[in-house]
Amino acid sequence: GAVVSQHPSRVICKSGTSVKIECRSLDFQATTMFWYRQFPKKSLMLMATSNEGSKATYEQGVEKDKFLINHASLTLSTLTVTSAHPEDSSFYICSATGPWQENVETQYFGPGTRLLVL
Amino acid sequence: QQQVKQSPQSLIVQKGGISIINCAYENTAFDYFPWYQQFPGKGPALLIAIRPDVSEKKEGRFTISFNKSAKQFSLHIMDSQPGDSATYFCAAGGTGTYKYIFGTGTRLKVLA
Repeated sequence: GAVVSQHPSRVICKSGTSVKIECRSLDFQATTMFWYRQFPKKSLMLMATSNEGSKATYEQGVEKDKFLINHASLTLSTLTVTSAHPEDSSFYICSATGPWQENVETQYFGPGTRLLVL
Repeated sequence: QQQVKQSPQSLIVQKGGISIINCAYENTAFDYFPWYQQFPGKGPALLIAIRPDVSEKKEGRFTISFNKSAKQFSLHIMDSQPGDSATYFCAAGGTGTYKYIFGTGTRLKVLA
């Protein structure tokens, strides 16, 4: 089946530094990728929609200058948390729209990246 | 208009029992309702999904019941197993958008 990977799986950084998270579709081309944020024991919150070769579309309330998204190819999207602060600590999950299947919207999620900002 | 309410927040079921999780949505424009299963430290995985043109969909031990007039849908897990212990999220959205509103999740624990 379609696989989405994320790297790194965990990252700890100091406040003020920037962190880059990679999202890759391993065995399919993903025109669209999504980035979510999930707080402990909470639901997923969509941050932005990323389309290959164009600017990302951010959801209301998400700072685009803080969360930089680049979708350089059909298999790679990156999320950079700039000038990270402790409140940015969270579980970041990407997803990618996969090969079409009849009557099913195929959206495959990555395993997530746990970010801890000290 | 954009909320999806999910209940219960947590659920404990004996092995072999039926697990039932309920969701309610507000936006009548939503026409795609997936359920996701998430294990700790992992991303969600699609379990089963339904569209409003049917009232029930069954895949193995998992069944979605859909009530369009009440704007509610539920997941039934028959013969629940300890391996089903996970967090389950319902979601709702428009077909083709892939932009879903997720419920708050239900932590299911199936006792051996």
